[in-house]
Amino acid sequence: DAKTTQPTSMDCAEGRAANLPCNHSTISGNEYVYWYRQIHSQGPQYIIHGLKNNETNEMASLIITEDRKSSTLILPHATLRDTAVYYCIVRVAGNQFYFGTGTSLTVIP
Amino acid sequence: GAVVSQHPSWVICKSGTSVKIECRSLDFQATTMFWYRQFPKQSLMLMATSNEGSKATYEQGVEKDKFLINHASLTLSTLTVTSAHPEDSSFYICSARDLARNSYEQYFGPGTRLTVT
Repeated sequence: DAKTTQPTSMDCAEGRAANLPCNHSTISGNEYVYWYRQIHSQGPQYIIHGLKNNETNEMASLIITEDRKSSTLILPHATLRDTAVYYCIVRVAGNQFYFGTGTSLTVIP
Repeated sequence: GAVVSQHPSWVICKSGTSVKIECRSLDFQATTMFWYRQFPKQSLMLMATSNEGSKATYEQGVEKDKFLINHASLTLSTLTVTSAHPEDSSFYICSARDLARNSYEQYFGPGTRLTVT
């Protein structure tokens, strides 16, 4: 079962930062947080992952709270092509991914 | 790098027939592949974990005799939907882990849309 909760939908103005929250209050000490996104009728695309430190790559930044019970994915300058469903996933011990409902992000021109 | 393909991309079949979907890792070896199903406007649901050379592990509620999984090589896993019915119509997506990388990141295929008439 999914161990994450996310808002159902969000809007963001083009060019602005998109901040997508995720709650994972039951996360265990050795479980990683992964973020993927899915554009309509395509396979999910990897964005970023982390354990307890903040992470940044060319796509996004991941901010994990000190107690690890929540995290925020930041898209620094959202474009129209960032419109997608964003999934926050906790990787369990067996390495499976259990997807939650995700957040449907709409970037508005 | 890390490309996963699926074949076919879409398929229409008649009720009662069987359909095979292939998942290939094109530029890496994958000891573990995963199969998901996604109904319209819903999230991905993990069906099974496919391990090369051994039996697949199915999630609770997924019928192993209906959804046959074979992972005969490090680059190919197949999902066969047997005796398909209209309720099996869905978007089937596979993913794979790269054996060589020290990471549990999953690389997803583009999905296969199955329609059972």
